[in-house]
Amino acid sequence: DAKTTQPNSMESNEEEPVHLPCNHSTISGTDYIHWYRQLPSQGPEYVIHGLTSNVNNRMASLAIAEDRKSSTLILHRATLRDAAVYYCVPMEYGNKLVFGAGTILRVKS
Amino acid sequence: GAGVSQSPSNKVTEKGKDVELRCDPISGHTALYWYRQSLGQGLEFLIYFQGNSAPDKSGLPSDRFSAERTGGSVSTLTIQRTQQEDSAVYLCASSLSGGARETQYFGPGTRLLVL
Repeated sequence: DAKTTQPNSMESNEEEPVHLPCNHSTISGTDYIHWYRQLPSQGPEYVIHGLTSNVNNRMASLAIAEDRKSSTLILHRATLRDAAVYYCVPMEYGNKLVFGAGTILRVKS
Repeated sequence: GAGVSQSPSNKVTEKGKDVELRCDPISGHTALYWYRQSLGQGLEFLIYFQGNSAPDKSGLPSDRFSAERTGGSVSTLTIQRTQQEDSAVYLCASSLSGGARETQYFGPGTRLLVL
């Protein structure tokens, strides 16, 4: 399983962009990079995923380094509802999600 | 509803008793996963089902833990002779076919407390 490294915590002001980094230097060539978040007292929620190209959806953007050893989740305008633990999770076919400690995102109003 | 459901939502049991936790995945999803999250800890994989088969049981912590899936749908996680360290939130997730691009949809979890 690929290992990931994320900051323990980050803080952002409301309405400002947030860049959440993740190092996954041992990722294999076929692993997709998924991001999930977990709000307090809830199960994890899918945010975004990608393989090689940068990806955008209604929740966020994902920037993947050319060597795929790192990625950055971008929340364009953080809201109080975005306060959660964010996990980057490399995943291969049929495999489990191997969650690390994640990054606790705090959003200040 | 169309999401993953789990029951019971909360379970309190005495040490040494057996418990059964149930997961109803999204209809049509062939892949089903069990995870657990202990207080203040990250999520830990337990077992993966593809249809009724379990090709990956590597996360089951001991032989007191077992799981089955019937009809390619409902899954039951059984913990025998529960111990206090089994106290955790048990989460179930499903995805369409287990592909690496697919989203895993999580249920709300079962909070297990072993006294």
